[in-house]
Amino acid sequence: AQKVTQAQTEISVVEKEDVTLDCVYETRDTTYYLFWYKQPPSGELVFLIRRNSFDEQNEISGRYSWNFQKSTSSFNFTITASQVVDSAVYFCALLRNDMRFGAGTRLTVKP
Amino acid sequence: DAGVIQSPRHEVTEMGQEVTLRCKPISGHDYLFWYRQTMMRGLELLIYFNNNVPIDDSGMPEDRFSAKMPNASFSTLKIQPSEPRDSAVYFCATTSWGQGISGANVLTFGAGSRLTVL
Repeated sequence: AQKVTQAQTEISVVEKEDVTLDCVYETRDTTYYLFWYKQPPSGELVFLIRRNSFDEQNEISGRYSWNFQKSTSSFNFTITASQVVDSAVYFCALLRNDMRFGAGTRLTVKP
Repeated sequence: DAGVIQSPRHEVTEMGQEVTLRCKPISGHDYLFWYRQTMMRGLELLIYFNNNVPIDDSGMPEDRFSAKMPNASFSTLKIQPSEPRDSAVYFCATTSWGQGISGANVLTFGAGSRLTVL
């Protein structure tokens, strides 16, 4: 069975702080994809990143970075120097044949 | 491409009425997923199709829910009869696996249909 756990329900930080969103997944498959999506207050789901199970190289995109570690089944997401516009719900997801989402982490960045 | 198109964006109906939600996938995408989002349950996968064929409908909550994909460019999710607990945002998402297709290997979501059952 596939499962994604985002243990942090809500996080609140002050602007310019760094914040890490945790994601732990479970799967018996050796081939799979991991994703992060952002859902801003407007409600749409915005794709941020995709990683396949054979690529453990960390990735940085501007203020965003992702740390994928198969040994701990984790795919964590860090926002550096957070901004108010980063306030949203962030979802981690696991894809094998279907796509399963974690419960989401609501991030609030205060000015 | 206009992306995944869902209609209606908002629907308010009374308990017992039939509700039909519609989705037009991105051209060339052969996988289509229906999700339901509520505060209590988060994003739940209801059903998904591959090449218009339902592959896994184990997430469909009960027989009141049905989904069809009569062709590659259209899918419906129907609730009959509707109940207040069906109130949620319903998302359609599509993708294709491989190369050379717009939006391949990433699930692209529609804007969602917000359903309120009174």
